[in-house]
Amino acid sequence: DAGVIQSPRHEVTEMGQEVTLRCKPISGHNSLFWYRQTMMRGLELLIYFNNNVPIDDSGMPEDRFSAKMPNASFSTLKIQPSEPRDSAVYFCASSPPGHGGFFGEGSRLTVL
Amino acid sequence: QKEVEQNSGPLSVPEGAIASLNCTYSDRVSQSFFWYRQYSGKSPELIMSIYSNGDKEDGRFTAQLNKASQYVSLLIRDSQPSDSATYLCAPEAAGNKLTFGGGTRVLVKP
Repeated sequence: DAGVIQSPRHEVTEMGQEVTLRCKPISGHNSLFWYRQTMMRGLELLIYFNNNVPIDDSGMPEDRFSAKMPNASFSTLKIQPSEPRDSAVYFCASSPPGHGGFFGEGSRLTVL
Repeated sequence: QKEVEQNSGPLSVPEGAIASLNCTYSDRVSQSFFWYRQYSGKSPELIMSIYSNGDKEDGRFTAQLNKASQYVSLLIRDSQPSDSATYLCAPEAAGNKLTFGGGTRVLVKP
């Protein structure tokens, strides 16, 4: 299995632009998580899905952030409009029930 | 109080020694606990899981869990320079939700 696949690996954009991050989870995993990691705040859970359904989005910072999971093999995290404080590494992880999460390599976002 | 507390370190240990990492959590509902290792610039990697009170050993790693005290620890025996990384504790709440501690940075000196 190829593991969790994220794209893009690096994104540099200007303030106000829309950013879309993509994730392909491991086949057969029913849970998908989006995390954000910064030096100041550590690893924060933004949102997670069980069986493609959003379960808890309480970690989403504000309305500028949205996430979708249209099917079991694809999810997106969108930021519109982006701001410099959104600069971080965004991780996607997937897991089978009760097994912890397997992380993708992350998408490093820089908003100028 | 943070949901998951870890000493940020760095925890400096000589090569061959035992590194002892501690983690406390606030959610009494948590039943599963995970330790992740994260090298600088890389993604977290799952290295240990523990589900019941007591010890669980896997190679040079031993996880210890005490649910009554809301405490979980990780021991790394015969520490190697390749063990130098940040170790993240993650209790699992209902619905597979993982909450991560801030991590303990471990530095193994040759």
